[in-house]
Amino acid sequence: DAGVTQSPTHLIKTRGQQVTLRCSPKSGHDTVSWYQQALGQGPQFIFQYYEEEERQRGNFPDRFSGHQFPNYSSELNVNALLLGDSALYLCASSFGQSSTYGYTFGSGTRLTVV
Amino acid sequence: LAKTTQPISMDSYEGQEVNITCSHNNIATNDYITWYQQFPSQGPRFIIQGYKTKVTNEVASLFIPADRKSSTLSLPRVSLSDTAVYYCLVGDRDQAGTALIFGKGTTLSVSS
Repeated sequence: DAGVTQSPTHLIKTRGQQVTLRCSPKSGHDTVSWYQQALGQGPQFIFQYYEEEERQRGNFPDRFSGHQFPNYSSELNVNALLLGDSALYLCASSFGQSSTYGYTFGSGTRLTVV
Repeated sequence: LAKTTQPISMDSYEGQEVNITCSHNNIATNDYITWYQQFPSQGPRFIIQGYKTKVTNEVASLFIPADRKSSTLSLPRVSLSDTAVYYCLVGDRDQAGTALIFGKGTTLSVSS
């Protein structure tokens, strides 16, 4: 049973560019949440998608947007990249928007903005 | 979600028992306490969850006193592979859409 799959694993972008990160949830899960983790910090919640809609959003600017597809997979898009967007981006899946219990995380995408 | 406070770092040796305490003075009636473990360049992994008293699984034990204002994660006989960051979270697990709110966690370093 595959867990959460994220692609790509590593990415280098130039300031001002746009980036798309992808996530396939664990089999049986229908909810996808995205987190940003800067070096030495805990993961910070970006937003959550359920039934192809953004259900909750953390304190991130509109440059961060997402999408969920009918097969429950998801994309995170970041426009106008800043150096401060360099981080590990984590995708977590769950079933039915469950809270602290039942989240499965992927290994993340390491984004470096130069 | 209730704010949590835990030590920034802890050191231990192989074979010892490690106890990491988390304070959550403003925990709500419906909140559960959940611990996650994270290795470098990996996503957090669920370890254990509890509401009150004691919970034990194959990995760890979680002790929660009657007032629930703190909790202790106990790792029996740690090994080098237990070196990781441990996060304590509190929240209503049954409320749809509640996001996980992570603090900085406790970095556990296990030496031989």
